[in-house]
Amino acid sequence: AQRVTQPEKLLSVFKGAPVELKCNYSYSGSPELFWYVQYSRQRLQLLLRHISRESIKGFTADLNKGETSFHLKKPFAQEEDSAMYYCALSSPSGNTPLVFGKGTRLSVIA
Amino acid sequence: GAGVSQSPSNKVTEKGKDVELRCDPISGHTALYWYRQSLGQGLEFLIYFQGNSAPDKSGLPSDRFSAERTGGSVSTLTIQRTQQEDSAVYLCASTELTSGGGELFFGEGSRLTVL
Repeated sequence: AQRVTQPEKLLSVFKGAPVELKCNYSYSGSPELFWYVQYSRQRLQLLLRHISRESIKGFTADLNKGETSFHLKKPFAQEEDSAMYYCALSSPSGNTPLVFGKGTRLSVIA
Repeated sequence: GAGVSQSPSNKVTEKGKDVELRCDPISGHTALYWYRQSLGQGLEFLIYFQGNSAPDKSGLPSDRFSAERTGGSVSTLTIQRTQQEDSAVYLCASTELTSGGGELFFGEGSRLTVL
């Protein structure tokens, strides 16, 4: 069964500190993995996807197949990073629904 | 610019009443999703429409929930005999790609409160 686990409901860090949002998944095969973000009073939107291997707003995420993880990292947190972050998984073919984790609320303290 | 549009943005109803929530996806997007967002539960998948294929209804929590997509565009999520536990934000999303890796574009959601 496809499953995404985000173990932390809330993560608080100080501005300038490194941040890591954890995501573990369960999937038979090679999934497509994503991070979505929802800022206050804004729509849920794509932050990054593992296939693109890009850094968005200073965030990166590396797929670790051995640990079945896709943790989101940023070396220096900013106040504007405060938001709800969701890790998501889909099959490579896209013929199954995108499955989301329960989300982690990141709070960056000035 | 036309993004995903949902209506109503807020709906307050009494327990036992039926409600309809509407989603206008981005033009040309072949796939449409409904999710439910509630505190502590994150994003729960409800139903998925992909082109002309039969919808994936595996996430619908009970037979009180149904959805349709007319003409491959507008979708309506119907909740019959609403219960207090149905209170949540219902999100619609669409995407244009048929293969994995497509970005989902979300609406602002319909907040349902069942009294």
